Amino acid sequence: QVQLQESGPGLVKPSQTLSLTCSVSGGSIGSGGYYWNWIRLIPGKGLEWIGAISTTGLTSYTGRTFYNPSLESRISISVDASKSQLSLSLTSVTAADTAIYYCARGGVIVSSTLDYWGQGTLVTVSS
Amino acid sequence: DIVMTQSPDSLAVSLGERATINCKSSQTVLYNSNNRNYLAWYQQKPGQSPKLLIYWASTRESGVPDRFSGSGSGTDFTLTITNLQAEDVAVYFCQQYETIPYTFGQGTKLEI
Repeated sequence: QVQLQESGPGLVKPSQTLSLTCSVSGGSIGSGGYYWNWIRLIPGKGLEWIGAISTTGLTSYTGRTFYNPSLESRISISVDASKSQLSLSLTSVTAADTAIYYCARGGVIVSSTLDYWGQGTLVTVSS
Repeated sequence: DIVMTQSPDSLAVSLGERATINCKSSQTVLYNSNNRNYLAWYQQKPGQSPKLLIYWASTRESGVPDRFSGSGSGTDFTLTITNLQAEDVAVYFCQQYETIPYTFGQGTKLEI
């Protein structure tokens, strides 16, 4: 059974960088060729897909990223296969970035559903 | 971006009755090459993360009770829950995964 667990600071000041980690257990993040995603639940607005990164045994596709264009200039998603961790970096945060952040596993192709989710971590942007 | 619009925003249904939630996409999520609708439904109970219920618009995820069913094609979709149980209280989201960025409906809150 795949399990995901997000971690990171619960409070970030405006204009700073938010950094979150997602630890994957029950299977290596680097095996299976899945896409690993970040999604956030914004209060009063609903779910927003942030981006995804692929992990495959094919060197040419390892680490390929897909970002939401609305956030692309501020986000970076990476994988550390040795630690089985997924990371998210979001720069220049504002109050609008206050949300519950989730990591989730997608499929082996980019157009896939999200079948395993972490419990989520609340991030508040405030001075 | 494909805009997903759900209706209603909230819904109160009696135990044992049927709940119907609609989802409309701003453009088709039917991929002609494989004739599949890239539409999923998720259930989010209070304090929990979303759970995948339905994919390809009508295929139940493993372990999901057959009280849950999905239908529709192209731009109009429906999630139907029959014989409503107390544990079905949740927010339900539709999601299209045909085009990046993936987008979700605003959610429908189901109450007893």
